[in-house]
Amino acid sequence: DQQVKQNSPSLSVQEGRISILNCDYTNSMFDYFLWYKKYPAEGPTFLISISSIKDKNEDGRFTVFLNKSAKHLSLHIVPSQPGDSAVYFCAASAVTGNQFYFGTGTSLTVIP
Amino acid sequence: DSGVTQTPKHLITATGQRVTLRCSPRSGDLSVYWYQQSLDQGLQFLIQYYNGEERAKGNILERFSAQQFPDLHSELNLSSLELGDSALYFCASSSPGLNNNGDEKLFFGSGTQLSVL
Repeated sequence: DQQVKQNSPSLSVQEGRISILNCDYTNSMFDYFLWYKKYPAEGPTFLISISSIKDKNEDGRFTVFLNKSAKHLSLHIVPSQPGDSAVYFCAASAVTGNQFYFGTGTSLTVIP
Repeated sequence: DSGVTQTPKHLITATGQRVTLRCSPRSGDLSVYWYQQSLDQGLQFLIQYYNGEERAKGNILERFSAQQFPDLHSELNLSSLELGDSALYFCASSSPGLNNNGDEKLFFGSGTQLSVL
């Protein structure tokens, strides 16, 4: 049972434009969400996180939005750069648990 | 560099064999997580250890087992290997770990690519 879903396997964006990556979750107990970026032959690296007490968190070009009622979060990258080309995973966890559930990833290609 | 070390980077073996994957967490991290990434699949949680004790179990097969040693390194043992076990296996560590996910992050190693022929 996939509790965290990324329904878009891939996304292509022109350099300088906005990239929007989406993630949906089913477990209402999740209250902490993270995005990871993964380059080929490397492990995932932490990008940005958000707690359920917030609806937005920003770090430079990266902003994560959380809509708890819709059980949806999104990652916005503005402006997109070729170096952002990677696979992006969203993850979720509940304070009462110790597991981090990951989505299947979205492969982002930023076209120069 | 995440500070998490996984060895070996690549492993090629035959069906029916047994292998051991090793993970050294970041200095000071008490939690170790193991994940499996198969083709077109996300990161599937296998098992978590905290300070030497099993803390959470995910979709780990009975043929697989893990442990965390007193020096906090962890090993994932895969036995009676099947073709379908071919995957990328990641280890991650975190701190503080136990029921305090307010700002917990996982730091991943670069993975072990297992190929079962």
